[in-house]
Amino acid sequence: AQSVTQLGSHVSVSEGALVLLRCNYSSSVPPYLFWYVQYPNQGLQLLLKYTTGATLVKGINGFEAEFKKSETSFHLTKPSAHMSDAAEYFCAVSGRGYNFNKFYFGSGTKLNVKP
Amino acid sequence: ETGVTQTPRHLVMGMTNKKSLKCEQHLGHNAMYWYKQSAKKPLELMFVYNFKEQTENNSVPSRFSPECPNSSHLFLHLHTLQPEDSALYLCASSQETGPADTQYFGPGTRLTVL
Repeated sequence: AQSVTQLGSHVSVSEGALVLLRCNYSSSVPPYLFWYVQYPNQGLQLLLKYTTGATLVKGINGFEAEFKKSETSFHLTKPSAHMSDAAEYFCAVSGRGYNFNKFYFGSGTKLNVKP
Repeated sequence: ETGVTQTPRHLVMGMTNKKSLKCEQHLGHNAMYWYKQSAKKPLELMFVYNFKEQTENNSVPSRFSPECPNSSHLFLHLHTLQPEDSALYLCASSQETGPADTQYFGPGTRLTVL
C-alpha cells in the first residue's frame, strides 16, 4: 500500500478561487508531514511541514495545511489562487509509523490556474 | 552561490558512455541525498549520505555509483545506463537525517539516455 496518496494528479482552478490539494497518509501513528512545490525546471521547495503542536500549519506564499488525525489527512489550501501558483505539489511523510528517517513522497498534483 | 546546486542541468548520453553528475550544497548540512524523478512515478530515493558515510542504498543498480568526498559535495557516476534510466535526478541536503529535518533540493539534472 502507498505510504502517502494524493488524490487527483491534475487540479485546475480559476485565478482567485480556492485551492484544495488532497493528501492522505496510511500510517496508524501520526507521521511528520510535508508539502513541497516544484516549479517547471526547478527542484522541490518546502511549502510547510507539520511535526507536533498546532494542527493548522501556515506556510509560504499564503498556503496552509491542516493535520486531521481522524481522517489521516493533510490537505493543502490557499484561499485565492494566483497565476504564479501553477506548479506541481508533492505531499511527503516521514517518521513515526514509517521507516523512521526516510521520506515517502506522493505522486504529485499538478495545479493549473486559469485566468 | 547559495542553496543546492547541480551540474550539468541537462545531459544526453549513450548507453556505453560514462558521465558524472555533481551536487554541491552551501548550507552547512551534514546529510545529502540522490533522488530519481520519473514521469508519473513518485520521487524515488536512491542514496543517502550522512557525514560522508553512505547510510542508505535503496536497491539501486550498480550502474549508478555515488561518491561523497565531503559533506558539501555529492557525485553520481553513471556507466552503461539504459534508456529507462532517463529521468530528472535531484540532489537534496538536510542538517541531519532525522525525520523532521527539512530537505533542500537542487534544480536537478535532466538525463536522457539514448
